[in-house]
Amino acid sequence: GAGVSQSPSNKVTEKGKDVELRCDPISGHTALYWYRQSLGQGLEFLIYFQGNSAPDKSGLPSDRFSAERTGGSVSTLTIQRTQQEDSAVYLCASRNRDTDYGYTFGSGTRLTVV
Amino acid sequence: GQNIDQPTEMTATEGAIVQINCTYQTSGFNGLFWYQQHAGEAPTFLSYNVLDGLEEKGRFSSFLSRSKGYSYLLLKELQMKDSASYLCAVRERSNYQLIWGAGTKLIIKP
Repeated sequence: GAGVSQSPSNKVTEKGKDVELRCDPISGHTALYWYRQSLGQGLEFLIYFQGNSAPDKSGLPSDRFSAERTGGSVSTLTIQRTQQEDSAVYLCASRNRDTDYGYTFGSGTRLTVV
Repeated sequence: GQNIDQPTEMTATEGAIVQINCTYQTSGFNGLFWYQQHAGEAPTFLSYNVLDGLEEKGRFSSFLSRSKGYSYLLLKELQMKDSASYLCAVRERSNYQLIWGAGTKLIIKP
């Protein structure tokens, strides 16, 4: 597509439930990133996919968080047994590795755990 | 370690000029980015510096000094629509990851 698409735009869930967040990157972009942004904080790196390489999961805060990228395109971030501290905006960005810059962000998913 | 510092909030007047500073410490530098983020929206790319000096793009300019670990974003002829958060991010040489500052909230007053 023309831009990075994320869904849902807003999600309210009860503590303890699982949630899935979806990111559809720009067509042809080989790199995909997930970030978390809490109110008044900088973007916190979660996970990075690059082509067929093993993902860099070093930013995932706990084993309740996981992500996959199917067919080198759409990615899903899953949070199991959600906690209130998981409430944040989850941003996805994609990049064409051949360019020096060009990290394009989606509009994010605002997750609220009640 | 890695650290990005920028002021939390700044206020400026419509039509004026404002400079937003960013200082950084990183183990391996591979470029510095400035992004603009309006409330509730995605960050959008403003500028990229990898060499020392000033990059000008319309009303916005960005400066980098690698030896000082310092950058600034200069906004001229401020407009009300420039009210937003401005995010500074440094890319690591080792893994191409971006390390983000907390952002500077810029408030423009008439």
